[in-house]
Amino acid sequence: GAVVSQHPSWVICKSGTSVKIECRSLDFQATTMFWYRQFPKQSLMLMATSNEGSKATYEQGVEKDKFLINHASLTLSTLTVTSAHPEDSSFYICSASGLLSTDTQYFGPGTRLTVL
Amino acid sequence: DAKTTQPNSMESNEEEPVHLPCNHSTISGTDYIHWYRQLPSQGPEYVIHGLTSNVNNRMASLAIAEDRKSSTLILHRATLRDAAVYYCIPANQAGTALIFGKGTTLSVSS
Repeated sequence: GAVVSQHPSWVICKSGTSVKIECRSLDFQATTMFWYRQFPKQSLMLMATSNEGSKATYEQGVEKDKFLINHASLTLSTLTVTSAHPEDSSFYICSASGLLSTDTQYFGPGTRLTVL
Repeated sequence: DAKTTQPNSMESNEEEPVHLPCNHSTISGTDYIHWYRQLPSQGPEYVIHGLTSNVNNRMASLAIAEDRKSSTLILHRATLRDAAVYYCIPANQAGTALIFGKGTTLSVSS
């Protein structure tokens, strides 16, 4: 299947700092990428939909100024958690969907963020 | 978004078949039925998807009810590596966000 990578796989930061997470589709072009977060023992929650070359669409309750998403190319989307706080500690997962309407979605391995 | 109902948990023994059910009675006519699974501390892994006909691939089989209000994921011979949370997700095929429910936690014993 298609491969989606995330970097870093884990990160620990101090409260108040910003953290950038990269999501790359390695062997296909992704017109649409999605960002999810997952708290312990819970399911994945969709945060935002990112389309190449346009602004991201955020789900209700997700602060767009706090979670900055950039989808500058067909193979790269980034999520920046600005002024991170301990409650932002979570497992962040991206997924990518290809150009064809028949393409399914493939998920990255996730990034574990811990804010001290 | 179509609402899904899955058992919270199921248990199986190694080498035995596993049938994971999912009810999606409000599914729309254009929604595919997707199945993903997630191992601890990993991103979800695509398993299989289908629209109306039963589907088979190297990982599993998907049996879809004639009225499309339910489906069953079939693992033909469970292994310890199949222990995961399995999610059934109705979604339009064209790059729509996948909305995850609680899924079914499958335990496999040796």
